Amino acid sequence: AQKITQTQPGMFVQEKEAVTLDCTYDTSDQSYGLFWYKQPSSGEMIFLIYQGSYDEQNATEGRYSLNFQKARKSANLVISASQLGDSAMYFCAMREAPKEKTSYDKVIFGPGTSLSVIP
Amino acid sequence: DAGITQSPRHKVTETGTPVTLRCHQTENHRYMYWYRQDPGHGLRLIHYSYGVKDTDKGEVSDGYSVSRSKTEDFLLTLESATSSQTSVYFCAIRGTGFGNTQYFGPGTRLTVL
Repeated sequence: AQKITQTQPGMFVQEKEAVTLDCTYDTSDQSYGLFWYKQPSSGEMIFLIYQGSYDEQNATEGRYSLNFQKARKSANLVISASQLGDSAMYFCAMREAPKEKTSYDKVIFGPGTSLSVIP
Repeated sequence: DAGITQSPRHKVTETGTPVTLRCHQTENHRYMYWYRQDPGHGLRLIHYSYGVKDTDKGEVSDGYSVSRSKTEDFLLTLESATSSQTSVYFCAIRGTGFGNTQYFGPGTRLTVL
């Protein structure tokens, strides 16, 4: 079963406008973490923002904020004042806590959303 | 910058040949990971390591092996490359800061003809 869903394969936004990239997740754990990464056309994976499941406030990092709605199991990324350099693939990811007898905290990635910023 | 390098950055090889990809980190991180990225699949974990000589399988480990003889190096070997292993391979480390975020190397683009 898909654990991370990103329903928008491609999106467009006008430069200087705000944009929301959707992410929903599925877990039965109480303790987990949510991440967003950016992958520009050059290919590197760039960490943007993290939200812990027990964090009461939405995470923010500069122009990025994470709209965390725990009951709805959604972790949408909001980019304010879009810039041309924001054009990239964006991946939502979730880390579940290690299960008993393993040392591996599993990180699962969604399929990504391609964002294009229009001048 | 988490001090992660990958080599080679690009490789073209033929079906049936062995291939080894190297991940090198300079910050003494304990946990290291190998992922592959394919269109429509995001990143999928191949193998991971939780210390020197301590490794385990991820979700797509068939056809791959790994070794970690030193903290700084994590090697991924395709024992007999197949065209289905054409992909972009990323190495990652787990940071020790808030969220234990994974940080990625620059990636290796592998083409198996």
